[in-house]
Amino acid sequence: QQQVKQSPQSLIVQKGGISIINCAYENTAFDYFPWYQQFPGKGPALLIAIRPDVSEKKEGRFTISFNKSAKQFSLHIMDSQPGDSATYFCAATTIYGNKLVFGAGTILRVKS
Amino acid sequence: DAGITQSPRHKVTETGTPVTLRCHQTENHRYMYWYRQDPGHGLRLIHYSYGVKDTDKGEVSDGYSVSRSKTEDFLLTLESATSSQTSVYFCAIRVGQGAEGYTFGSGTRLTVV
Repeated sequence: QQQVKQSPQSLIVQKGGISIINCAYENTAFDYFPWYQQFPGKGPALLIAIRPDVSEKKEGRFTISFNKSAKQFSLHIMDSQPGDSATYFCAATTIYGNKLVFGAGTILRVKS
Repeated sequence: DAGITQSPRHKVTETGTPVTLRCHQTENHRYMYWYRQDPGHGLRLIHYSYGVKDTDKGEVSDGYSVSRSKTEDFLLTLESATSSQTSVYFCAIRVGQGAEGYTFGSGTRLTVV
């Protein structure tokens, strides 16, 4: 049973478009929700993260939207670029927890 | 990546043979983790360590064992490799106390034939 459900599995977006990836969780004890970006042959790297006390966090072209009541959060990539083509993982944990739980991943391809 | 070295980077082994993967960190971080990455499953935690000789199981620990005799090294052993253990294995460290500090190695691609 996957504790964090991620969709879609893959996504193709035109350059300059908006990429949207969605995640949902069940465990209400989670209080830290990071997104990781992974390029081929590399390990995942932290992209952006949010705590549930805010509904939105923005860093450059990347925005996390968080809906605590629905237990959902999403990543928006504005003005998507070919260099954003990668696999994106949402994750969840408690801020001082020992275990990071990942979604299944989304393969993003940005067409130039 | 960030002071984490995984070895080997690639390995092909036969079913039933033992395999050991190594994760080495250049700093003295307390927490170390082993994950496996499979299509459609994301990354799943195998085992983790919170200090020398202190380890605990993750969600997919069956068929795997770990050891940590030194702070800098965390070993993952497949006692008798099976084809279902063909995967990409990632080691991670946690820098500091918070969840913001997870840093992953570059992975080991293991193929069991």
